[in-house]
Amino acid sequence: GNSVTQMEGPVTLSEEAFLTINCTYTATGYPSLFWYVQYPGEGLQLLLKATKADDKGSNKGFEATYRKETTSFHLEKGSVQVSDSAVYFCALANYGGATNKLIFGTGTLLAVQP
Amino acid sequence: NAGVTQTPKFQVLKTGQSMTLQCAQDMNHNSMYWYRQDPGMGLRLIYYSASEGTTDKGEVPNGYNVSRLNKREFSLRLESAAPSQTSVYFCASGGEVGPYEQYFGPGTRLTVT
Repeated sequence: GNSVTQMEGPVTLSEEAFLTINCTYTATGYPSLFWYVQYPGEGLQLLLKATKADDKGSNKGFEATYRKETTSFHLEKGSVQVSDSAVYFCALANYGGATNKLIFGTGTLLAVQP
Repeated sequence: NAGVTQTPKFQVLKTGQSMTLQCAQDMNHNSMYWYRQDPGMGLRLIYYSASEGTTDKGEVPNGYNVSRLNKREFSLRLESAAPSQTSVYFCASGGEVGPYEQYFGPGTRLTVT
């Protein structure tokens, strides 16, 4: 079946450090891949997405590349800020059926210290 | 444009009590979803509705019922709450044009004692 595995947290970084949060997936066919972010006390917001192999999604300085050969979609940012502190979820969606169900990873808490 | 709204924000129930969580969206989406979020478990799908008048079970439907009242509204009901249903509940909606993006409400934090 479809599944998403992402690195355990928490990830604690100093401001301006480089960020990588690993995400790998198992899926049949050609899923779309997403990163969602959840700020404290809020719902999830879409951060970026990629729909096919070798696509790079980017937003707010974050990037992730859809790597079919390694079934990965790692999230990166070159210089994190305190305001990036949040929980990050990797997710996939597979076409087919009546609707578009998302499969989420367990989330990775990022804490950025000044 | 409010997006996805949920009420209430917080609720405390005693075991055996019932309640309904309300969700509404103003983006004219056909699909709506209910998730629960538990520590270390990510988000798990409880029920979803592909269109007005249809509902289907997700990964963890036991103990819940849903109603798709109209295109805008999708409610989640706990008939007899149990401590295992203590969680944060999120409603989401999404269109059908790929790549299957979903929009989330702010969540309801439910505690069952």
